[in-house]
Amino acid sequence: KAGVTQTPRYLIKTRGQQVTLSCSPISGHRSVSWYQQTPGQGLQFLFEYFSETQRNKGNFPGRFSGRQFSNSRSEMNVSTLELGDSALYLCASSLSASAYGYTFGSGTRLTVV
Amino acid sequence: GQQLNQSPQSMFIQEGEDVSMNCTSSSIFNTWLWYKQDPGEGPVLLIALYKAGELTSNGRLTAQFGITRKDSFLNISASIPSDVGIYFCAGQGVSGNTGKLIFGQGTTLQVKP
Repeated sequence: KAGVTQTPRYLIKTRGQQVTLSCSPISGHRSVSWYQQTPGQGLQFLFEYFSETQRNKGNFPGRFSGRQFSNSRSEMNVSTLELGDSALYLCASSLSASAYGYTFGSGTRLTVV
Repeated sequence: GQQLNQSPQSMFIQEGEDVSMNCTSSSIFNTWLWYKQDPGEGPVLLIALYKAGELTSNGRLTAQFGITRKDSFLNISASIPSDVGIYFCAGQGVSGNTGKLIFGQGTTLQVKP
């Protein structure tokens, strides 16, 4: 079966712009989590959605937001981009709202210039 | 953000050697996970540990969930060139079944043929 699909794979944006990243979970998976990966901070949890509801949120400013649709697909949005937002953004999905069997996508590499 | 203490930070070993890495935390976890990440890809789950004291193997990989629930180790026996990559430990907290994982800083493994 298809894995977790993230689009786009690469993105270059200018400071001040906003960006939307997309994640299609494995078919049947209802839980989706987002992580930011940078060389300095490593993998940091952004938020988690289950059945269209945000269940948990990490320690990121309000410029970072997300949502989940009825088909479990998820999007995250970053507004007023800063240089420090340059990172690999990873999405992970699971059958239920637990860490068991979380499968990660290949990520979206965002570069802010 | 909150992170686990993972060591060593990097390892350069000869093919055929055994490898050991570990993670410690000041907090207890319900679940310990070990992931491997290749360049340009998302982390791939290697081993999941669900009970304190549990010892689990996956081929040449062996991992243990510490008795105190605050640590875990991963051993790789008879390393081969394809073991090259970054290994991450991740813990899931005691607050319930959510997708929030706390990651270690990673151990970069290089294998010399």
